[in-house]
Amino acid sequence: KQEVTQIPAALSVPEGENLVLNCSFTDSAIYNLQWFRQDPGKGLTSLLLIQSSQREQTSGRLNASLDKSSGRSTLYIAASQPGDSATYLCAADDSNYQLIWGAGTKLIIKP
Amino acid sequence: KAGVTQTPRYLIKTRGQQVTLSCSPISGHRSVSWYQQTPGQGLQFLFEYFSETQRNKGNFPGRFSGRQFSNSRSEMNVSTLELGDSALYLCASSWNRGTGELFFGEGSRLTVL
Repeated sequence: KQEVTQIPAALSVPEGENLVLNCSFTDSAIYNLQWFRQDPGKGLTSLLLIQSSQREQTSGRLNASLDKSSGRSTLYIAASQPGDSATYLCAADDSNYQLIWGAGTKLIIKP
Repeated sequence: KAGVTQTPRYLIKTRGQQVTLSCSPISGHRSVSWYQQTPGQGLQFLFEYFSETQRNKGNFPGRFSGRQFSNSRSEMNVSTLELGDSALYLCASSWNRGTGELFFGEGSRLTVL
């Protein structure tokens, strides 16, 4: 049974720092891995999707990597800004039409 | 291009009642999936529909059901509401699950008293 873990559960850093959020999964037979952002009381916004055959994806200041052999994905945020404050969730697609979710990392960027 | 629309956004029900939530996907998207989000359990998969067929169902009791119409709009129903059903219910659409990005609605926040 696939399990997804995100560490740390919360992170507070000063504005301008580069940071890394971690996501680990137990079953390497994933179809893809997705990173999402959730603002308080809101739905989820897709940030990056990495197909199982890919190693990384980039969008602006965000870069996500995927290492299936070690069961890990990282989300790198460069030059963090207060507007990046949100909860970041990763989800593994088990190719059975459902996503298995991590509990999220709550990120606070201090001005 | 309009996003995923969920209605109602907020609702309050009492134990034993039933509720129906609606989701209109992005135009052209044929897959709709539903998720329950609670502070204690996080996000949990409910079910996924594609072209009016349920392709997978999460580990929820039979009180939770759903359907998809020919225009891809989807509804989920929860019968005999319990206090523990209080949650944010999120709907997501994609062109075809497993091959593309998910787009989420703002959610329907259900409170059961």
